[in-house]
Amino acid sequence: QSALTQPPSVSAAPGQKVTISCSGSSPNIGNNDVSWYQQFPGTAPKLLIFDNNKRPSGIPDRFSGTKSGTSATLGITGLQTGDEADYYCGTWDSSLYDWVFGGGTKLTVL
Amino acid sequence: QVQLQESGPGLVTPSETLSLTCTVSGGSITSYYWSWIRQAPGKGLQWIGYIYHSGSTNYNPSLKSRVTISVDTSKNQFSLKVTSVTAADTAVYYCARQNGNTFDIWGQGTMVTVSS
Repeated sequence: QSALTQPPSVSAAPGQKVTISCSGSSPNIGNNDVSWYQQFPGTAPKLLIFDNNKRPSGIPDRFSGTKSGTSATLGITGLQTGDEADYYCGTWDSSLYDWVFGGGTKLTVL
Repeated sequence: QVQLQESGPGLVTPSETLSLTCTVSGGSITSYYWSWIRQAPGKGLQWIGYIYHSGSTNYNPSLKSRVTISVDTSKNQFSLKVTSVTAADTAVYYCARQNGNTFDIWGQGTMVTVSS
């Protein structure tokens, strides 16, 4: 069981917006920055968002991140079929002394 | 740009030791923290541990008794050893650069199967 809780799946139509939630607790999200990763089948995860809401160079502004209290959210606007992937949130847990990830969310673009 | 490449055996016998190496190219290993992360088939990501170029380490508490991460700055490499492996250690193993509270660069991953 993951320390961070994500919905197993989300779906939306092309062009629409979707949000993926990541729920944690005080020792992890509550006190540390969150990052988000995108993973296509058979490939390595790729950094999408770091420090809660920052995008690395090359990541389109369709992707955004927010954090409030012990929860974080990834937002994707203007959905494209190419966005179909698994998305993971992650952060440090100061109590477990462990880096923790969410269980992952599979995005389907209908 | 910095690239990471994992290498090592794809098949390990139960109870033996899994050994992998990550080679860092396009940049020096003498900065940042360097991590190992694994993903069992059909499952999520599990952080294994990290090392700094000085040799200081930190491990996932659930794996700490079986894991050792080491660094060879002369070769720009860091390595992972997991002892007494079982089928539960079957996974894709990734090495990654840890930049602050983020894994910003990942290797392509290497599949390791534990089986006799």
